[in-house]
Amino acid sequence: EAGVAQSPRYKIIEKRQSVAFWCNPISGHATLYWYQQILGQGPKLLIQFQNNGVVDDSQLPKDRFSAERLKGVDSTLKIQPAKLEDSAVYLCASSQTSGRAIVGKSVEQFFGPGTRLTVL
Amino acid sequence: DQQVKQNSPSLSVQEGRISILNCDYTNSMFDYFLWYKKYPAEGPTFLISISSIKDKNEDGRFTVFLNKSAKHLSLHIVPSQPGDSAVYFCAASAGGAGSYQLTFGKGTKLSVIP
Repeated sequence: EAGVAQSPRYKIIEKRQSVAFWCNPISGHATLYWYQQILGQGPKLLIQFQNNGVVDDSQLPKDRFSAERLKGVDSTLKIQPAKLEDSAVYLCASSQTSGRAIVGKSVEQFFGPGTRLTVL
Repeated sequence: DQQVKQNSPSLSVQEGRISILNCDYTNSMFDYFLWYKKYPAEGPTFLISISSIKDKNEDGRFTVFLNKSAKHLSLHIVPSQPGDSAVYFCAASAGGAGSYQLTFGKGTKLSVIP
């Protein structure tokens, strides 16, 4: 089974430039997540999709970040314009469902390798 | 305000000994807890989980213990192997209908010395 794919793996841009990241989740996974992981921190959820709808984007800085999952499969995350504090690893994850299928059972999230963004 | 805390940034253990990684949480609504393992330049991979209805879950060399009254969980690795060297993240979920969002700790870097 192919895992979660992300591209590019690395990106270096100057502040105020734009950047986009792409994610292809595991086939059949309805739920897709974007996380931001700043150096020395744990991943922080930015946005969660269920199929092509947004479940939660409360922690997404909407003045500069946007994300879409138009056909309920691939997703893109965009930053425009980038700031120095956006330097981080952006992780995409997917899971089969967003609900608890069985009480006490894990609905595991599978992570991609991430995109390391450096803003100069 | 950090809801999931891993107070030890790093831990070194001799090969063959026990590794104990700790995690504390503050949100009483958390009812599901997971440990993820992360190697450099890779995404986190799921290791083991525990529901709040249990106090222990075991999977091979890995055991997670949950103390709800203390809002504390720990991951035990016995015996530790050099391949276990990685960053370990504790994560928690408050569940709720239609949502399975995880709140992560900052991670603990485990080094297993041969």
